[in-house]
Amino acid sequence: QKEVEQDPGPLSVPEGAIVSLNCTYSNSAFQYFMWYRQYSRKGPELLMYTYSSGNKEDGRFTAQVDKSSKYISLFIRDSQPSDSATYLCAMSAYSGAGSYQLTFGKGTKLSVIP
Amino acid sequence: GAGVSQSPSNKVTEKGKDVELRCDPISGHTALYWYRQRLGQGLEFLIYFQGNSAPDKSGLPSDRFSAERTGESVSTLTIQRTQQEDSAVYLCASSLGGNIETQYFGPGTRLLVL
Repeated sequence: QKEVEQDPGPLSVPEGAIVSLNCTYSNSAFQYFMWYRQYSRKGPELLMYTYSSGNKEDGRFTAQVDKSSKYISLFIRDSQPSDSATYLCAMSAYSGAGSYQLTFGKGTKLSVIP
Repeated sequence: GAGVSQSPSNKVTEKGKDVELRCDPISGHTALYWYRQRLGQGLEFLIYFQGNSAPDKSGLPSDRFSAERTGESVSTLTIQRTQQEDSAVYLCASSLGGNIETQYFGPGTRLLVL
């Protein structure tokens, strides 16, 4: 079992829809939880991060963490064509070699259709 | 200000040749990370530099891979005797201090080994 599981999609939704993106994980040592957005042929861009269970909201984006279920979600409200991208979840844990390392999901490709 | 830059943006090489990939982090960022992103896969951690500390090399897949960083500036990732399985996008990220949750990524170098 991989440490982080993420459905690669693709996911296609109409403009204005609510999008739900999810990741599950197996490592209880993960402490920080992040969502990145990656446009085609670009590097990932940090959207949100959190370190506690519960919800964190930023504009149209809400990140949700459930540590008891080892499950995180990203919700996008009123989705726009400009939201079309690949969304990567990432989680960090102490590597034991003096640093924290990020473990990424494979990414979910989202298309928002006008 | 300028973001993380990487060069070259694309590299095509023949199997068995050595390649060097360059990363210029954001000025003032003491932490620098290298990742590999294979097609359809999540990002894989390769190596982490933090200031003058010994780098965390725990993610390097083989001894053909090495990286250097000059002080808190430019880093070079070298792949010796390239193999076809090395074909991937190589991403560099930097962060202020060791704040892994706020990494800023460069656009990546797309490496194709023929």
